[in-house]
Amino acid sequence: GENVEQHPSTLSVQEGDSAVIKCTYSDSASNYFPWYKQELGKGPQLIIDIRSNVGEKKDQRIAVTLNKTAKHFSLHITETQPEDSAVYFCAVHTGGFKTIFGAGTRLFVKA
Amino acid sequence: DAGVIQSPRHEVTEMGQEVTLRCKPISGHNSLFWYRQTMMRGLELLIYFNNNVPIDDSGMPEDRFSAKMPNASFSTLKIQPSEPRDSAVYFCASGSGTNTEAFFGQGTRLTVV
Repeated sequence: GENVEQHPSTLSVQEGDSAVIKCTYSDSASNYFPWYKQELGKGPQLIIDIRSNVGEKKDQRIAVTLNKTAKHFSLHITETQPEDSAVYFCAVHTGGFKTIFGAGTRLFVKA
Repeated sequence: DAGVIQSPRHEVTEMGQEVTLRCKPISGHNSLFWYRQTMMRGLELLIYFNNNVPIDDSGMPEDRFSAKMPNASFSTLKIQPSEPRDSAVYFCASGSGTNTEAFFGQGTRLTVV
């Protein structure tokens, strides 16, 4: 089955710096790659996603890049703010409905 | 729309008791997912439904776990009998179509003592 690895597990940055989280996956048939943000006491919420026919997507301070050949994708957050502090999950769809999540990255943004 | 609604938000029960978690998906969504979240194992997909039909229950840990979706607006996850190792946050999520966003509820924090 699909295996998703996410790094790092914890990331601490200074406010205004950039944060990068990376994920690798194993199934080359995977075609949809969402990123979720989970705040304390809440369920994960989609922040950005990318499909297999696109290499990069940007939404304000957040961007995602995808390398299908190498089977990895990354989340980039620029100009980080304290409210970006949360747990971030990458996820992979292998067609259909099934979503496999990475282990999560706890991001701390220090003011 | 109020989003995915789960109840209860918190549940504390004694080992051996039956526990029922409830979920109301977003109206119009045809997929429903149950996830379990723990520190050790992260977010695990337990089971998902499409058009009220269970598609994949390979993530259900044991026969003690069962899930139903009697109609498009309601699903339950039942644990009978419950054990302390079942303690976790259980999330329900819904979506529409394939390869699309999953909308999560607030979760149910289950503690089995």
